[in-house]
Order: sequence, then C-alpha cells, then structure tokens
Amino acid sequence: AQKITQTQPGMFVQEKEAVTLDCTYDTSDQSYGLFWYKQPSSGEMIFLIYQGSYDEQNATEGRYSLNFQKARKSANLVISASQLGDSAMYFCAMREAYSNYQLIWGAGTKLIIKP
Amino acid sequence: GAVVSQHPSWVICKSGTSVKIECRSLDFQATTMFWYRQFPKQSLMLMATSNEGSKATYEQGVEKDKFLINHASLTLSTLTVTSAHPEDSSFYICSARAGLAGGQTDTQYFGPGTRLTVL
Repeated sequence: AQKITQTQPGMFVQEKEAVTLDCTYDTSDQSYGLFWYKQPSSGEMIFLIYQGSYDEQNATEGRYSLNFQKARKSANLVISASQLGDSAMYFCAMREAYSNYQLIWGAGTKLIIKP
Repeated sequence: GAVVSQHPSWVICKSGTSVKIECRSLDFQATTMFWYRQFPKQSLMLMATSNEGSKATYEQGVEKDKFLINHASLTLSTLTVTSAHPEDSSFYICSARAGLAGGQTDTQYFGPGTRLTVL
C-alpha cells in the first residue's frame, strides 16, 4: 500500500484564488513528520512547510498552511492568494520514526496558475 | 540558511566515461546527505543515504559499484557515476539534513540538481 497518496495529478487555478493540494498518508508510527516541497521547472526542490504528528496547531508559513487532520491521516497544503510563480510540482512527504531521516514521497501534483 | 549547492548543474558525457557530482552544504554541517534520481514527470527515487565518515547505505536495486558515494566531510558528498551508459541519463539531486541549529526545520534541504546526459 502506498504510504503517501496525492490524488490530484494536475490542477488549474485562477490567479489570486486559494488552492488546496491533497495528501493522505499511512503509517503505524505515533511519531512522524509531514512535509511539503515545491519543485519549479528549474528542478530545485524547495522546502515549504512541516507538520509534526504531535503538533496541535496547523503549521503556517506565509501564504502556505497545512490542514492537518490526524484522524483522517490527511495533510493538505493550502496556498492562499495564489500567484503565477506558484506554478510548479508539489510533493508531499513523510518521515517516520527511526527512518534515518529518510523521506517517503508522494507522486506529486502539478499546479498551474492561470492569469 | 540551509543552502545546498550541487555541481555541475548539467553534464553531457560519452558512454563509458565516469562523471562526478558534488553536493555541498554551504551554511550548515550535514551529518546525513541523500542522493536521489528523478525521471521526467515522476517523484524522487532515493538512491542512497550517506553519513559522514561511514559507508553509504544504498537502496535496493541501486548498484553500489556503479554509483560511488563518498561523504568525506560534514559539508561535502560526491556521487560518481562510473562507466556511464545512456540509461544512466537522468536528473540527479542531492539533499542534506539540517538539524535544529539556527532555528531551522530538521528536514532535508536540496541542491539544484544535476542533469546528466550520456551519449
């Protein structure tokens, strides 16, 4: 079974609208971390946001927020007021306990912002 | 903070030659570095985990003798693709684990990647 599932291969969103990118995960660990990375066409992977499994508050970083629903095992990324520069691939990843800091990656969602 | 450089950014080589890719953490020390390979329109595929001063741990299916990894210092890891063939053409990207020093998130920070084309 896949440990990280991103069900949206691609999304088109109008500029300035908010967008939610879905991510569900599967783990039996109690301690784990969830991450979102952005990969523009240039190829670099840019760390966006982190949520720890014990964090009670949803993580926020500027226009990015993580909608963490632990019981549903979902960690959706919300981008508010989207901009043309947000067009990129977005990857959800999970780090489990005792994993030597390895990340388990989702398949990614290609987000295109329309002007 | 947490800047990782990778060199070269792209390389074209002839079949049978070896190519070395460098990954450096510029403003932090990285006890653990990771090497990934990424095919077009796909997610990252972990090749190996490299801990400073010890041998790299390779993922299943990755040939250790073909993809030589050296993590000689806390800021430098190298990946050498030996006797490269066209099927080795890919996007190779490294990452370095940054601890909690300096208020950073303890996660992997990535280099810009190296696009390898083997003719």
